[in-house]
Amino acid sequence: GAGVSQSPRYKVAKRGQDVALRCDPISGHVSLFWYQQALGQGPEFLTYFQNEAQLDKSGLPSDRFFAERPEGSVSTLKIQRTQQEDSAVYLCASSLARSSTYEQYFGPGTRLTVT
Amino acid sequence: GQQLNQSPQSMFIQEGEDVSMNCTSSSIFNTWLWYKQDPGEGPVLLIALYKAGELTSNGRLTAQFGITRKDSFLNISASIPSDVGIYFCAGPDSNYQLIWGAGTKLIIKP
Repeated sequence: GAGVSQSPRYKVAKRGQDVALRCDPISGHVSLFWYQQALGQGPEFLTYFQNEAQLDKSGLPSDRFFAERPEGSVSTLKIQRTQQEDSAVYLCASSLARSSTYEQYFGPGTRLTVT
Repeated sequence: GQQLNQSPQSMFIQEGEDVSMNCTSSSIFNTWLWYKQDPGEGPVLLIALYKAGELTSNGRLTAQFGITRKDSFLNISASIPSDVGIYFCAGPDSNYQLIWGAGTKLIIKP
């Protein structure tokens, strides 16, 4: 498929565990975004990459959240010492170029449940 | 901070009806986007608006960028069952990142 893929689709973690969420953007897309979506709400911006450079991480809620995109393609969002309030759907999106950055293509998300 | 308010929160419609929903803000936006999200999926872009007053259609969907730059609406004509889902408006904040409304949930009455 040519769309954005995310894995795993579902993740259950015990409070205090570390988790890693993967995003494979559309091939050739320069920009990559991570969002957090709570139940019944719209997505909330977490962080943005242009190629391998993390240009904006202002939405990351705490220093327990860390994202990387080392080769400018696949990205990983890592959450350390998970807390119950981290339970949400984590969405990844990519866009072709800076000029069309708002026309974002989303993956299906990873639903994280922290027990 | 900037916020987007969507109304209604949910709509119960019968197949074939026209639907109208809107998005408002207390601050100016230079771009408005409308996305649709189905259960278990990510949002899908429906329409992007870049100019105040712009009226853009995508099949049975029509969206307008309000003249004041503080609102936008989305209309769906002759609704069909696959229109069910959650519709989000979004716009770029002062850091050029998208902020999103809470969504309008569209439900088809049996």
